[in-house]
Amino acid sequence: GAGVSQTPSNKVTEKGKYVELRCDPISGHTALYWYRQSLGQGPEFLIYFQGTGAADDSGLPNDRFFAVRPEGSVSTLKIQRTERGDSAVYLCASSAYLGTAKHNEQFFGPGTRLTVL
Amino acid sequence: DQQVKQNSPSLSVQEGRISILNCDYTNSMFDYFLWYKKYPAEGPTFLISISSIKDKNEDGRFTVFLNKSAKHLSLHIVPSQPGDSAVYFCAAYSGAGSYQLTFGKGTKLSVIP
Repeated sequence: GAGVSQTPSNKVTEKGKYVELRCDPISGHTALYWYRQSLGQGPEFLIYFQGTGAADDSGLPNDRFFAVRPEGSVSTLKIQRTERGDSAVYLCASSAYLGTAKHNEQFFGPGTRLTVL
Repeated sequence: DQQVKQNSPSLSVQEGRISILNCDYTNSMFDYFLWYKKYPAEGPTFLISISSIKDKNEDGRFTVFLNKSAKHLSLHIVPSQPGDSAVYFCAAYSGAGSYQLTFGKGTKLSVIP
């Protein structure tokens, strides 16, 4: 079956521009996550959706970052007034919701490599 | 403040030998640990996991060991194969139902034919 897909695979933009990154989760997965991986680092949590609502956005670095998931499937990560420090690989993951008693295996997409010039 | 630490950025191993990748953690609330494998231009792929109530979990050539008192876990790959060459991330959850994975920086494994 299809895995998590992300578009575009690469995005080059200029400082100050607005970008949108898209994630298509595995069909039927209600949980969706965004992570950011900077060079030489492991992925860092940004935001978690359960269904349409952002259950936890505590990882978003500042108010230039925003994410939506209006129909509980596809999600878009939006970055306003991009800065050079935003350059990173943005990873999306999805999982089935197993409730509060178990740990969810997260399935990752290939990521979008964002370069801010 | 790195809560999950992978202190070896890289490791080279001869094909057929054992690869041992190490991971240390500082957060006592972590109760479930995972290893992910990542090839270039691909997302991390789940490899193996272990609950804090166990000290060993085995899946084929891959075994993960957990030493809770030392806050240390390791991934053993035996025998190592060239296709195992990738970056390996250690990650952890804190509490059942938790959703936020905390990752280490990764270790790049090179298996030499």
